[in-house]
This record gives sequence, C-alpha cells and structure tokens, in this order.
Amino acid sequence: IQLVQSGPEVKKPGTSVRVSCKASGFTSLDSVIQWVRQARGQRLEWIGLIVVGSGDTNCAQKFQDRVTITRDTSTSTAYMELSSLRSEDTAMYFCAWGVAPWGQGTLVTVSS
Amino acid sequence: DIVMTQSPDSLTVSLGERATINCKSGQSVLYTSNNKNYIAWYQQKPGQAPKLLIYWASTRESGVPDRFSGSGSGTDFTLTISTLQPEDVAVYYCQQYYSTSWTFGQGTTLEIK
Repeated sequence: IQLVQSGPEVKKPGTSVRVSCKASGFTSLDSVIQWVRQARGQRLEWIGLIVVGSGDTNCAQKFQDRVTITRDTSTSTAYMELSSLRSEDTAMYFCAWGVAPWGQGTLVTVSS
Repeated sequence: DIVMTQSPDSLTVSLGERATINCKSGQSVLYTSNNKNYIAWYQQKPGQAPKLLIYWASTRESGVPDRFSGSGSGTDFTLTISTLQPEDVAVYYCQQYYSTSWTFGQGTTLEIK
C-alpha cells in the first residue's frame, strides 16, 4: 500500500481546508486511516480516524466540532476537512493506513 | 483519552551503546481476547513522516534492523536499541491504538554522545 496526499495549502483564518489521501495497492476494508498533525518543532497530535469499510469515524475531543473525516471507496481516497481555521492550525498533516504506511504529509499554512 | 507518557524526554547515548525509551499508558492497552498490546513505536527524522518500527508492542516491522526491539505489557512498554548507530538519531514516539481515540506519547529525542 502507498498513500499519496494532496499538495500544500495556504488558507485564511476562518476558512476551511480539505486534505486528501489516496491509497494504491492492496487495500482492506477492515483497516482504518488515521490523521495526525505536527506543528513545526512540536509533537505528533492525533486528529481522528475512519474505518475504511463502514465509514465510521472517531475524532480527538479537541477537534470534534471542527473536523470531518470521510472516504470514497470507489477512488480509495480519504479526506480530512478542518474548519474555522486559525493560525495555530498551521502544521504538517499526515494520513496513515492503520499504523503504517504513512503519507508524505501536507503542509497547511493559515495566515491572513 | 488514554494518556501516554514517555521517559525520558531526551536521551544522549554513545555509539555502540544501548538506548532505552519507556512509555507508560494511563490504562491497560492489553486486549485479553487476543492477548495483544495495542502499542506502536515510531522513529521520526527531521522533515520526514514517522516510520513504523514496532507494532503489537514487540513485533518488528519488516525491514527494521534487529537492533530495535519492543517489550512490555499492560501499561508499561520499552523500546530498546541494542547498539546505537549514527542513523538512529531521531525522535521516537509511542502510540496506543487500543481505544477508539488513539494517542501518542510526547516523544523522546535521541542524540549521540
């Protein structure tokens, strides 16, 4: 399995961003895709996950009112949308198929 | 959420020596029905995505050198690098995937003395 994420984004505060994560190779409906972010020089921060087959999701409490995670099984692509962006959301966003492999990361910059 | 606490925050070890990183979970991550501990260990180098080293607390990922090993059960886990190599300089994270909300430790920075 290989995961390829969408390109860098620059957004204004208050807007939304959607990051995609396309899987290629053998994919199992039993698995999950997790989303993680990392601000520059900071620790890994778990955002949420989606069960590939059922579409069930779970998100960290911190993000529950702002994040939407979806998937499109026809294109083997998962999406993470974060709304009401603020400068503190500037970070590298990663997807991972379960615990591995990981996507290459998508830099989201929030700036006025 | 299950809180994951790593120790130490940073570690300096001589080349060829052993490095040990600990990870403690706020509750047991052992699923008794399959006797598996839902713990993963990652290595992250600057500008790179995390790389999986260990899963199920002690199973080495394919291609990972055998100097890396994981141990522990329940709430206490350890990542050991038996003979430190220059390329092992990195930040190491543990993660629990037992609960519906997965969580990471704060990371341990490993440097060469």
